[in-house]
Amino acid sequence: DIQMTQSPSSLSASVGDRVTITCRASQDISKYLNWYQQKPGKAPKLLIYDASTLQTGVPSRFSGSGSGTDFTFTISSLQPEDIATYYCQQYDNLPLTFGGGTKVEIK
Amino acid sequence: QVQLVESGGGVVQPGRSLRLSCAASGFTFSSYGMHWVRQAPGKGLEWVGLISYDGSSKYYADSVKGRFTISRDNSKNTLYLQMNSLRAEDTAVYYCAKGAVGVLITTSFDYWGQGTLVTVSS
Repeated sequence: DIQMTQSPSSLSASVGDRVTITCRASQDISKYLNWYQQKPGKAPKLLIYDASTLQTGVPSRFSGSGSGTDFTFTISSLQPEDIATYYCQQYDNLPLTFGGGTKVEIK
Repeated sequence: QVQLVESGGGVVQPGRSLRLSCAASGFTFSSYGMHWVRQAPGKGLEWVGLISYDGSSKYYADSVKGRFTISRDNSKNTLYLQMNSLRAEDTAVYYCAKGAVGVLITTSFDYWGQGTLVTVSS
């Protein structure tokens, strides 16, 4: 199975800050990585697929990059509504696997 | 608009069975693979399994293989998860999710249901 390691597990930042989350795969997954946002009590929402493609309707302050084993998710200017847990997920191979999540809070 | 509505969750004793349903609308259900994903209380996301658009292929996480069965009824636009021999560690919110690309087994999940809570406890 492909292990997905996310860091940090939590972070606290101020409104307007640039926030970066990293995700590392245990083997090469090419570009087959998604990023999801999950707000408390809600279902996850797809933000980015194919490592860097923004899902329709997602604000442009969200972005993703990387390929192979190392990936980065960035919020360019943190907004209050971005408070959530973010998960990476690989879809290069079965079983599909998720990172452990990064909880983003406002400082 | 795409809607996925799960039902069937509840409290069940260890060793018993439960069947979840996911009613789909707003898209051509028979053209897309469908997945189940679960989340234990306070924990992260775990993929449970998938069924291809036509039901011919099914894959499961090792943690549920041999106990859970995914099926679909394309005439009713409904996805199912039959859960047998339930254990305490199966306690979770269960989400159904739509594959983003119909014919692909491995793909993103572009729509999710609201989830249904399954609690396994004596």
